[in-house]
Amino acid sequence: QVNLVESGGGVVQPGTSLRLSCAASGLTFTSHAMHWVRQAPGKGLEWVAVVLKDGTNKFYADSVKGRLTISRDNSKNTLYLQIDSLRIDDTAVYYCARDNTGDGGFDYWGQGTLVTVSS
Amino acid sequence: DTQMTQSPSTLSASVGDRVTITCRTSQDIDIWLAWYQQKPGKAPKFLIYKASTLQSGVPSRFSGSGSGTEFTLTISNVQPDDFATYYCHRYNRYPYSFGQGTKLEIK
Repeated sequence: QVNLVESGGGVVQPGTSLRLSCAASGLTFTSHAMHWVRQAPGKGLEWVAVVLKDGTNKFYADSVKGRLTISRDNSKNTLYLQIDSLRIDDTAVYYCARDNTGDGGFDYWGQGTLVTVSS
Repeated sequence: DTQMTQSPSTLSASVGDRVTITCRTSQDIDIWLAWYQQKPGKAPKFLIYKASTLQSGVPSRFSGSGSGTEFTLTISNVQPDDFATYYCHRYNRYPYSFGQGTKLEIK
């Protein structure tokens, strides 16, 4: 079965950097675009970024463009999110999600990893 | 960017009720809309894609309709397990976006 496991979250100071990982198993990783979605405490879902199948094409939410970098290593079935210049409002649970290729939507999600930005 | 308006923000219902949640977009997105259910502390669960196609394993009391700029999620015969927060999600073009969410509460 498909399994997505995020890691890398924690408590960090403003201005620092962090890299989140999402290890995928039980799927043909190269057949799917992969997304990051975040959710601030008590708030709704916010789409953050996508990387297409071959890792070349990437798209970002306007709110994070320039500070967040999505990437993937298809040899390791792993998705990444690099967050630079962390801000208080980056505090959120970060989910990775698999694109439902061809029909759209996100059919599988990880359990999420919590990033807390605090001084 | 395309704006999304989901309503109501909170909905009170009893077991057995029929409820409807609406999602409106500021631009025509054809049928490129999905719905998710989320419970506290859990990842969202994929319910419906292409506005009206039920994901495998989702109970048939859930249904979606609409196209263009107006969409609905209907739950007929609400069950205790259905009390949760629901989100619409448009994916016609990047950047994607979600509705604000609707919390379905027990009356």
